Order: sequence, then structure tokens, then C-alpha cells
Amino acid sequence: ETGVTQTPRHLVMGMTNKKSLKCEQHLGHNAMYWYKQSAKKPLELMFVYNFKEQTENNSVPSRFSPECPNSSHLFLHLHTLQPEDSALYLCASSQDPGGWDTEAFFGQGTRLTVV
Amino acid sequence: EDQVTQSPEALRLQEGESSSLNCSYTVSGLRGLFWYRQDPGKGPEFLFTLYSAGEEKEKERLKATLTKKESFLHITAPKPEDSATYLCAVRANYGGATNKLIFGTGTLLAVQP
Repeated sequence: ETGVTQTPRHLVMGMTNKKSLKCEQHLGHNAMYWYKQSAKKPLELMFVYNFKEQTENNSVPSRFSPECPNSSHLFLHLHTLQPEDSALYLCASSQDPGGWDTEAFFGQGTRLTVV
Repeated sequence: EDQVTQSPEALRLQEGESSSLNCSYTVSGLRGLFWYRQDPGKGPEFLFTLYSAGEEKEKERLKATLTKKESFLHITAPKPEDSATYLCAVRANYGGATNKLIFGTGTLLAVQP
């Protein structure tokens, strides 16, 4: 496989459920991201990991819990979500050389519906 | 506050009718401006990176340009398969190791045959 792979592609969960989103990148990058995309809104950065260390938490509610066990894998653990959390969740990766930043490559996203 | 604004929100073109999409930005210490294409239900697909005013990049019917305040995505003789949402994003200098892409809301392009 190449690029950034996200699973599952679609997820329907109740407000009391616990689920996890998975992201895997095969590009050898050292930075990974979670974004939330809602209708009519810009992509919202949620979390950033550089070399497995979380460097950004963009005021995300604690019902979203990220995990980055290594530079190739990223998880987003979900629990007690609200209907307004329904959105497309996108994972991305990039190579951070510390100078001019390079582009981020995105996965296909997980369409999450909270019922 | 760092901000990215795209216009128009939506654009409908006839096949072969050239036009331009705009991305205006206000950031401190630009470290790159990025154009992406997004098809419905899919993740954004990278198109171009521009780093400095005056820079231009081309790919097939698309050409991206950059000034100190805005970027344009020119579409020459578009085809129906160019229909998608086009997203603009910028990286700004926040110091340290933090990377942050700030996105606009996108322009929904529809090209009719």
C-alpha cells in the first residue's frame, strides 16, 4: 500500500459507544495530523504529532483521545460523542525538515455519524 | 489573527470556459501556500505548493500563482472532470516544531459539458 490509509471509511456510533479511528502512512513521514471537516466550515486541525510526540492539541474536547505509537500509525479514540461531532475525520502526514515546510498528504477520511 | 479566505464559494463554468479562483491570506511569516483538490466523500488531493511572491506552478489545465497577499488558481479550458472543491491552505511561522495548516472554506467548481 502507498500513501495514507484510514479505516474504517464509514462509522455510525451511538452516543454511549467507544470506537477508534485508525490511520497508517507509508510515506516515511515524521509528522501526522487529525483534522475534522464539517459542512460549510474550513478543515479544523485537531492534533499534531511530530516524531510520535504530540505538539498540538487545538482545544479539542477530551471525548477525543489521540494515540501515536510510532511515526507510521495514528489513532483517534472516541467515547461519549455528541451528534455535532458527526463529520469527516481526516488524517494527514508530512515530512517536517525544520525549514520550509512541505505539503501534507491526506487519507480518504472516515465519515462519522453519531446517533 | 491568521486567516484564509477563498472566493467565490461556488463557480459554475461551461466546458472550455477559463476562469480563476482566489485565495487571500493574512498570516505572519508565510512558510508555504498549498492548493488541494477534494472530490465528494474523499480526502484532499495535493496539487501545488508555492513559497514566495512571484512563484508560479502548472499542472495540465491548472496554474497557481502567488503574491504577498493572495494566490490564484487559473483553470484554462476546463473539462467536466475538473469539477471538485478546491482548497487553499497556508503554513505560518509559529516557531518551534509546531506545524499548522490553516485552510479556507474552499471553492466548489462545477464544469458543465
